[in-house]
Amino acid sequence: DSGVTQTPKHLITATGQRVTLRCSPRSGDLSVYWYQQSLDQGLQFLIQYYNGEERAKGNILERFSAQQFPDLHSELNLSSLELGDSALYFCASSVEGPITDTQYFGPGTRLTVL
Amino acid sequence: AQSVTQLDSHVSVSEGTPVLLRCNYSSSYSPSLFWYVQHPNKGLQLLLKYTSAATLVKGINGFEAEFKKSETSFHLTKPSAHMSDAAEYFCVVSAFSGNTPLVFGKGTRLSVIA
Repeated sequence: DSGVTQTPKHLITATGQRVTLRCSPRSGDLSVYWYQQSLDQGLQFLIQYYNGEERAKGNILERFSAQQFPDLHSELNLSSLELGDSALYFCASSVEGPITDTQYFGPGTRLTVL
Repeated sequence: AQSVTQLDSHVSVSEGTPVLLRCNYSSSYSPSLFWYVQHPNKGLQLLLKYTSAATLVKGINGFEAEFKKSETSFHLTKPSAHMSDAAEYFCVVSAFSGNTPLVFGKGTRLSVIA
C-alpha cells in the first residue's frame, strides 16, 4: 500500500458527461501528479501540482482540468467525455516538487465511457 | 526531448533463471531513469531509480539496473526469477532538472513459468 488513495475505483458514464476523480496524497507529500494509462497510448503524464500551484503540464486535453486544494488532495475533472477517454487514471504523490523525486502511485480509477 | 524504448514487449523466463528487461533512452539533458513495476489491477511501484550517482543501482526484490551512458541503456536484471515477479515493467526517463514530465516506455510484460 503506497499511502495514496484514489476514489472512485471504477466509474462508468456516457459520452458527453463530466466526471471528477479524487486523489489524496501520502501524508506530508506536497506534489500530486496525474497520469492516464490506455491500451493505445500507454502511460502518459497529464499534470503536476505542487502545494496548490500547477507545476508542470503534459499531454492534458483542454477538456480536462485539475486542481489541488489547501488540504493537498487533488481532483481531476474530465468533461465532454468521449469514448477514447476510457482509461485507467493514476494519481501519484511525492514529497517535494522536482519531478525526479520518487513518486508513489495510487491504485487508479478505471473510467469507462459508453 | 526525452524518449525511452523498451526493446521487448513480452519476456518469458522459467522460475529460477535470470531476468533481463532491456531499455534504451534518449535525453537532451543528464537523465534520471526509473524502473516501475505494475502487478495486475494494481498501481505502479518504484523498483529503483538512477539520478547521476552510482551507475549500478540496486532496487527492491533483488532487481538492479546499470546506467550505461555510452550505450544509452538502462537494462533491468535479476539473477533468479520468482513467480511473484510476473508483472508489467516500465522504464521511465526524465530530465535531471526542470519541469520536464516523466516519459514512460510502453512496458514489458514479464511471464514466469514454473
